[in-house]
Amino acid sequence: AQSVAQPEDQVNVAEGNPLTVKCTYSVSGNPYLFWYVQYPNRGLQFLLKYITGDNLVKGSYGFEAEFNKSQTSFHLKKPSALVSDSALYFCAVRDIDRYSTLTFGKGTMLLVSP
Amino acid sequence: NAGVTQTPKFQVLKTGQSMTLQCAQDMNHNSMYWYRQDPGMGLRLIYYSASEGTTDKGEVPNGYNVSRLNKREFSLRLESAAPSQTSVYFCASSPLGTLAGTDTQYFGPGTRLTVL
Repeated sequence: AQSVAQPEDQVNVAEGNPLTVKCTYSVSGNPYLFWYVQYPNRGLQFLLKYITGDNLVKGSYGFEAEFNKSQTSFHLKKPSALVSDSALYFCAVRDIDRYSTLTFGKGTMLLVSP
Repeated sequence: NAGVTQTPKFQVLKTGQSMTLQCAQDMNHNSMYWYRQDPGMGLRLIYYSASEGTTDKGEVPNGYNVSRLNKREFSLRLESAAPSQTSVYFCASSPLGTLAGTDTQYFGPGTRLTVL
């Protein structure tokens, strides 16, 4: 079975500081990994995904994520946080080799203070 | 393009009542999905439709039924609502389907359902 863990319920960061939202995963085969963001009272929006190739993936709004196969991690990062980045962030995984559907983590609330 | 639309936005039901949540997409996507979102539990897949004419159970299908009416529309029905079904329901669609691992899902705005 595949699974995703987001170990932090909430991350607090000051505007202008770098941010990291953590994600680890477990799959039997090879993973496809995704990050989504949810603003209040909205649906989820796609940020970025890792399929293959370069371990550093760049996405929307200046976000990037680093795939680390040995640590089974896919942490979301941004060099300089904005107050408008405050939202709920979801990591998700699917197992390439099993044609599985997407499994989401429980979400991490990011709060960026002015 | 409207993307993925859902109706209604809000609904309050009494225990035992039935209702259908509607979802439509105008992106010509093959696959559609229904999720529920509960605090601290992330999104859990209820049912999905990999292509027109097919539907499959997800992680939490009990108490729900679905219909893939055509390529655009995918409805979720609660036959006899229970308080445990109080949740926010999201519909999503993706271009290629569950057999294509690179597929990105696009989400609707959600339906907030309360069952009293």
